[in-house]
Amino acid sequence: RKEVEQDPGPFNVPEGATVAFNCTYSNSASQSFFWYRQDCRKEPKLLMSVYSSGNEDGRFTAQLNRASQYISLLIRDSKLSDSATYLCVVPSGGSYIPTFGRGTSLIVHP
Amino acid sequence: DAGVIQSPRHEVTEMGQEVTLRCKPISGHDYLFWYRQTMMRGLELLIYFNNNVPIDDSGMPEDRFSAKMPNASFSTLKIQPSEPRDSAVYFCASSPILAGPYEQYFGPGTRLTVT
Repeated sequence: RKEVEQDPGPFNVPEGATVAFNCTYSNSASQSFFWYRQDCRKEPKLLMSVYSSGNEDGRFTAQLNRASQYISLLIRDSKLSDSATYLCVVPSGGSYIPTFGRGTSLIVHP
Repeated sequence: DAGVIQSPRHEVTEMGQEVTLRCKPISGHDYLFWYRQTMMRGLELLIYFNNNVPIDDSGMPEDRFSAKMPNASFSTLKIQPSEPRDSAVYFCASSPILAGPYEQYFGPGTRLTVT
């Protein structure tokens, strides 16, 4: 099993839709988790951290499921500007050295 | 703050040539990371520094790659000799800490093409 796995997509959804991505990880010792967003031909930027209790920021909700070793990102009321690649980040083992997933591509169409 | 600065933004070179990529991290950030991104392998961590000292270079693909950080405001990634399979986008990132919910700030990247 790879350290961090994501469905590459693309997820193709209409404006206003709700879409969710999952990211599975293999190292149960990982403590901190993140979602980054990467626009086409741009650098990754932090979208949100993922806390044990979940984290909500406007239309975005991140959840952690330690038992099943996955994190999720839910986007409500999708906007055209949400079109991007979403990368999950899981620090390796007991350290905080980040391991990036390959990313999930989201395309929001009118 | 200007953010993480990388140069050049684009580099086209011939196989066998030496390539040097440059990075200026955000002032005050103690951690600097070099990544490589390709379609096939995604974003891979090559090496990271803490207070100018290389901590983990296990991601450096082979001896042709080397990285230095002579001071807190400058780092280089060198490839000598370059090969076509080195073609990728190389990102530099910096972070103030490496614990808890920290954020990495990425530079705009250097798009390297080796012909």
